[in-house]
Formats: sequence, C-alpha cells, structure tokens
Amino acid sequence: KAGVTQTPRYLIKTRGQQVTLSCSPISGHRSVSWYQQTPGQGLQFLFEYFSETQRNKGNFPGRFSGRQFSNSRSEMNVSTLELGDSALYLCASSLEAGYQPQHFGDGTRLSIL
Amino acid sequence: DQQVKQNSPSLSVQEGRISILNCDYTNSMFDYFLWYKKYPAEGPTFLISISSIKDKNEDGRFTVFLNKSAKHLSLHIVPSQPGDSAVYFCAASSTSGTYKYIFGTGTRLKVLA
Repeated sequence: KAGVTQTPRYLIKTRGQQVTLSCSPISGHRSVSWYQQTPGQGLQFLFEYFSETQRNKGNFPGRFSGRQFSNSRSEMNVSTLELGDSALYLCASSLEAGYQPQHFGDGTRLSIL
Repeated sequence: DQQVKQNSPSLSVQEGRISILNCDYTNSMFDYFLWYKKYPAEGPTFLISISSIKDKNEDGRFTVFLNKSAKHLSLHIVPSQPGDSAVYFCAASSTSGTYKYIFGTGTRLKVLA
C-alpha cells in the first residue's frame, strides 16, 4: 500500500515569491493535515482538510492557504515568502476523524534565500 | 500556549536498558494520545496510541502509560536498541472537538551500544 507522497522533496525560493506544495494521501484516507516543523518548535499545525473542506486551522498568517481535491489530494500554498518560512513542511493523512493515527509523508524541505 | 510539552529535549540510554520518554498536557479535553518516531530526512512514523479509557497500551517493546489525573503520559521502550535512536514526538487530540493533533517539541533519544 503506497504511503503519503509529498512533492517536491526539496525547494529553494527567494523572498517575496510564492510556492505550492503537493500531498497525495494514502488511498482511502479522507483527512489531510499540514504541519510546519522548525528546529526546536516541534510540529506546528497549519490546517486540516476533510472531504474538500477546511475543518481546522492553526495560528498561521493568511499567506498560508490550502485546498483539497475530490480525490483527497491536497495542496498547500504560501505567498509572499519570508525567510522565516524556511522549514520542513509535513503532510499527514488519516482515514476519518476520531481515534485514528495520522500517517506522514517525508515532507518538503523549503529553503528561502 | 504549549498544550503538549516534552520537557526533556534529549535522553541517552544504554543498549538493553529501558528508555522512558515523558509528555505532559494541559487540555483536559484531550482523549486520544499518540507517539511518533522520526528519523532525519523522513516523516514521523506512528508508533503507538492510547485512548483515555485506558491507562496502558502495549505493542511489542513499546508501552504507553496514561495518567489522566496528572495529565501525563509516558512511552517505555524495553529493551532499547541502537535503531531506536531518533526523535520521539507525543501528540494529543480531542475526538469530540476539532480533531486536530497537537504535538510536543520532541525528545531526541540516543541508545548507546
């Protein structure tokens, strides 16, 4: 069974640009969450999508947005990139809500120059 | 407001001994808890979970204990192996609320051969 796939694995951008990251969840999983990981900060929750609807949102500025398609694939967009956006962005999927573990992809490493 | 805390950034244990990783939470609405292991350049891997109706869950060498009154959970690894060296994250969620997972900042475990 294929795991969660994130593309691209690595990305280098400059300040002011925008970026789109992609996540394909495990087949059958309808919930997709996005996290930002920076050194010493753990995994900071960005947002969660379920059946194409954003169900939860973390404390990030509006420059961070996302969407989910009918096949549960999800994209995350960051506009007007800042140096502080350099991080590992992780996507996780789960079957449904409730007592379900999330399964993570290997992340996209975003570096802002 | 860090609702899930892992107060030990690092831990070193001899091979064959017990590793105990701790996690504290503040939100009494949390009722589902998970532990993840993360190797460098990979996404977190789900290890074990526990719901609030239990106080212990075991899976092979891994056991998670939950003390609801103290809002504390711990992960025991017995016996510890060098391959267990990784960063361990605990996470919590409220299945009756927003379904989002809140992660701790992680504990780096080093198992010495």
